[in-house]
Amino acid sequence: EAQVTQNPRYLITVTGKKLTVTCSQNMNHEYMSWYRQDPGLGLRQIYYSMNVEVTDKGDVPEGYKVSRKEKRNFPLILESPSPNQTSLYFCASSPSSGYRTQHFGDGTRLSIL
Amino acid sequence: KQEVTQIPAALSVPEGENLVLNCSFTDSAIYNLQWFRQDPGKGLTSLLLIQSSQREQTSGRLNASLDKSSGRSTLYIAASQPGDSATYLCAVFSSNTGKLIFGQGTTLQVKP
Repeated sequence: EAQVTQNPRYLITVTGKKLTVTCSQNMNHEYMSWYRQDPGLGLRQIYYSMNVEVTDKGDVPEGYKVSRKEKRNFPLILESPSPNQTSLYFCASSPSSGYRTQHFGDGTRLSIL
Repeated sequence: KQEVTQIPAALSVPEGENLVLNCSFTDSAIYNLQWFRQDPGKGLTSLLLIQSSQREQTSGRLNASLDKSSGRSTLYIAASQPGDSATYLCAVFSSNTGKLIFGQGTTLQVKP
């Protein structure tokens, strides 16, 4: 089954404790992206990757890091999480440059205390 | 800067009614426009994708139209059902930035 898998689905942690949210897709898609969704602000892009070893900033990259060492994986790293990063995070993938239909994971709800 | 607006923010209708959700965008330089559905606790599911050169796309009871020159799209849902209750998001893929820009969504409730 074609899918985008995020882990964990839920996480409560404390300020400053490094965390990684993993994202994996099994569709051999070149394009992957991270979004955060906040009430009143909608979905905003954090980082995206056009292919292996190619990443670029989205609209709200501050406080986040990503890497794309393999085509299927695109982890989101919060080196020193802060309460303003409490949000619902989505990973997505798409063939080619991202202008095709994007497939989303089920989301990761992060709470930073 | 591309901005996407969806009106109304929330909508409640009785089962069986036909309804229209609206989406507008400020910059006509787009590759495509997509409509997504989001259920509580779930990710986004793509419903329809309209290329910039197309006027509409249909899937079952759903029909999406695109008027690029006026910066508008509509999602028409025929004979609504309680299972259609969800948040519907529209997003445009910008030709200038290569990014997918989302509206804030319309939350639909279909009452039995």
